[in-house]
This record gives sequence, structure tokens and C-alpha cells, in this order.
Amino acid sequence: DQQVKQNSPSLSVQEGRISILNCDYTNSMFDYFLWYKKYPAEGPTFLISISSIKDKNEDGRFTVFLNKSAKHLSLHIVPSQPGDSAVYFCAARPKSGSNYKLTFGKGTLLTVNP
Amino acid sequence: GAGVSQSPSNKVTEKGKDVELRCDPISGHTALYWYRQSLGQGLEFLIYFQGNSAPDKSGLPSDRFSAERTGGSVSTLTIQRTQQEDSAVYLCASSPRTGGATNEKLFFGSGTQLSVL
Repeated sequence: DQQVKQNSPSLSVQEGRISILNCDYTNSMFDYFLWYKKYPAEGPTFLISISSIKDKNEDGRFTVFLNKSAKHLSLHIVPSQPGDSAVYFCAARPKSGSNYKLTFGKGTLLTVNP
Repeated sequence: GAGVSQSPSNKVTEKGKDVELRCDPISGHTALYWYRQSLGQGLEFLIYFQGNSAPDKSGLPSDRFSAERTGGSVSTLTIQRTQQEDSAVYLCASSPRTGGATNEKLFFGSGTQLSVL
């Protein structure tokens, strides 16, 4: 039972264009959402997050959008750079109960071509 | 230390042998987590420590898996009688966990790549 789904295993974009990575969730108790980026042979590193009280959070080239009614979030990278090539994981955490636990999607491999 | 440190970075073992994986969290972080990533899968939660106690062990796949944390710092994940399906990257993470804020982020180590032959 996958509570966080990233349905695109991979995405390829041209340098300078927009990358859009999508994530869907099923648990309505999820209250906080994070994106992590992972390079090969390294651990995931935090990229950007959003609380359920917001619908958008922006940090430089990275913007995360949250649509609570659709239980959908997306990460936009503009403009995309070759150094952005990595696996991106969407993660979610509930407001209460096991609110220490992050539930992750399977990840999307982004390749940015020069 | 500056970041979460895990050792070894790679471990190859024979089926049936025991292995120990070590995690050194960021100094001062009270919360410590073990996750694993099998090929083509997301990060799967294994266990959560708050200080030296583990209030949530629900992700441990079987009784062959155990973990401990001592001195509120270093943690060891032990897998007994390893099986081929245990092959995965085992990731450790830590967080300050002050007040249990839901906006807290986890800091991950580079992981241990475990291969069971």
C-alpha cells in the first residue's frame, strides 16, 4: 500500500527548460511534504518543503506546489541545469501520531541534458 | 561531527552470516532513523530512536533485524543470518527532534550498500 506515489520513474529535459516532478499521496493525515535530492553513492539531501496550510513555496529555482483537494504536489525547477540531474524523492509526514516518520515515494530520476 | 557518518560504505557478505552497520548521527541530534532502499524502491522506514529508546520498530522486516543506540549517539543495525533479499542500501538519518515539530527535516548519511551473495 503505497501512500506516496511518484508515477514517473524518469524524466529527461533540456538545460534551461522547466522540469516538473509530480507526486501523489493517499493519506489525508499527511500535513507536511518534503522533496529530497539524491546523487549516486550519496545520501538524500533536503531540497524544499511545504506545509499543508500553504499551496506554494519557492526557493530560488525550486518551487513546490500543493493541491490538497487532489492530494497532489509538484516540484518545478526553472531553469534546469545539468547539475540538477539526480533522483528526486517526495516525502510526507502526518500532523500527529507518527509525526516523526517520513513516508517516501520511489523517486524520479531527472536527467538534464546540456 | 559535521554530518551523519555511516560505516562501512560497502559490505559484501555470504548468505547466513551476520552483519553490523554503524551510524554516527550529527552531534546533539536526539532522533535517529534507519531506512533502507532496495533496488527500484523508495526509502523504507525501519526504526526510529528518540535518545536511546526505540518507540517505533514497526518497519523492521523480521526478527533477524535489530538495532540499538547507546549514549544517545551511535547506533548499530544488526542483521542476523543474512538473506539475499536483505541486499539494499541502508540509510541512517538524524534530526534535532526538539518539540516534535512536523516541519523538521532529516539529515541522511551516505548509506551502507549491503550485498548478500
